[in-house]
Amino acid sequence: AQKVTQAQTEISVVEKEDVTLDCVYETRDTTYYLFWYKQPPSGELVFLIRRNSFDEQNEISGRYSWNFQKSTSSFNFTITASQVVDSAVYFCALTHSGAGSYQLTFGKGTKLSVIP
Amino acid sequence: DTGVSQDPRHKITKRGQNVTFRCDPISEHNRLYWYRQTLGQGPEFLTYFQNEAQLEKSRLLSDRFSAERPKGSFSTLEIQRTEQGDSAMYLCASSYDLTGRYNSPLHFGNGTRLTVT
Repeated sequence: AQKVTQAQTEISVVEKEDVTLDCVYETRDTTYYLFWYKQPPSGELVFLIRRNSFDEQNEISGRYSWNFQKSTSSFNFTITASQVVDSAVYFCALTHSGAGSYQLTFGKGTKLSVIP
Repeated sequence: DTGVSQDPRHKITKRGQNVTFRCDPISEHNRLYWYRQTLGQGPEFLTYFQNEAQLEKSRLLSDRFSAERPKGSFSTLEIQRTEQGDSAMYLCASSYDLTGRYNSPLHFGNGTRLTVT
């Protein structure tokens, strides 16, 4: 069985602060994909990143960066110099590759509020 | 690329009524998925299609739930004899899969929020 835990239910930061959203996963698969999605108040889930389990390189995209550590089964997401537009619910998700890979297992999400 | 479109955005219905939601995927995507999201939870998988074939439906919540994707284009999700517990956001997503293995990330629509009174 697969499981994704986002222990932080809600986080509030002041604009321009850095913030890290935690994600811990459980899976028995050796090959899997990890994702982060953003859900603004409009409701649409916006894809941010997909990471293959074989690729442990950290990734940076503008103010966003991701730290994948297989040894601790974590895939944490950091926003640098946060902005009000970053306010949203962020979901971490997991799926295995191959048959059944259509079924994403989501965490419960972390609600981020960036205060001006 | 107009994105995944869902209609209606909101639906309020009385318990016992039937409801139908529509999803139009990204045009070149061959896979279409339905997820449900309740308050404070992440989305949970319901069913998916590859082209017009419904390849997985065991996660549909009950036999009151059914989905179709005629001609492999848009899809509909129907809930018969709605119950208050059906109140949730119903999300549609699509992706492009070429090789039979997972390929492109899922792109989600804005969802249909159902309220059963």
